[in-house]
Amino acid sequence: GQNIDQPTEMTATEGAIVQINCTYQTSGFNGLFWYQQHAGEAPTFLSYNVLDGLEEKGRFSSFLSRSKGYSYLLLKELQMKDSASYLCAAMDSNYQLIWGAGTKLIIKP
Amino acid sequence: NAGVTQTPKFRILKIGQSMTLQCTQDMNHNYMYWYRQDPGMGLKLIYYSVGAGITDKGEVPNGYNVSRSTTEDFPLRLELAAPSQTSVYFCASSYTGTGAYEQYFGPGTRLTVT
Repeated sequence: GQNIDQPTEMTATEGAIVQINCTYQTSGFNGLFWYQQHAGEAPTFLSYNVLDGLEEKGRFSSFLSRSKGYSYLLLKELQMKDSASYLCAAMDSNYQLIWGAGTKLIIKP
Repeated sequence: NAGVTQTPKFRILKIGQSMTLQCTQDMNHNYMYWYRQDPGMGLKLIYYSVGAGITDKGEVPNGYNVSRSTTEDFPLRLELAAPSQTSVYFCASSYTGTGAYEQYFGPGTRLTVT
């Protein structure tokens, strides 16, 4: 079957670094997405990885290992506004997204 | 560009009533999607469309219907509403022509069925 696993909740301190892990199992694979979702709002796109390696975009980076079925989202220099849920989604062979339940990130001052 | 717009933002339905959730995108995207999101859960795909006149079922289509008569519009119809359909509904769109599959989401419709 198809499955995405990510931690339910994480806590970090303002100014620190946090890594949110995601493992996936899909029928075929066409890439891994990370979205940010603030409470009561729609998801917004953060990153897309289809090749192995690290993609850096400002304070956010995303890593993919296709052989391990593993990805992580790295957030640096955490700010209070980064408090949100982070959704991992894998694209299967039909180009449909399989979504994880999301990781709620709590930032403390 | 307004992006993806959805109406209404909130709605309370009685059991057995019907309604249509509206979704419009102005980005000329070919793909459109309807998801539902229950508290603490991931997004579940209800229906999707790869272009005008073409729709297909997602993971949880029962109790819903869709149509796509134009590129811009993708309404979702709920017939005989049930409490299990209480959820937040998101419409999304994407353009697959260049191999970029990023989905853009509307603001959501919060539906309560009582």
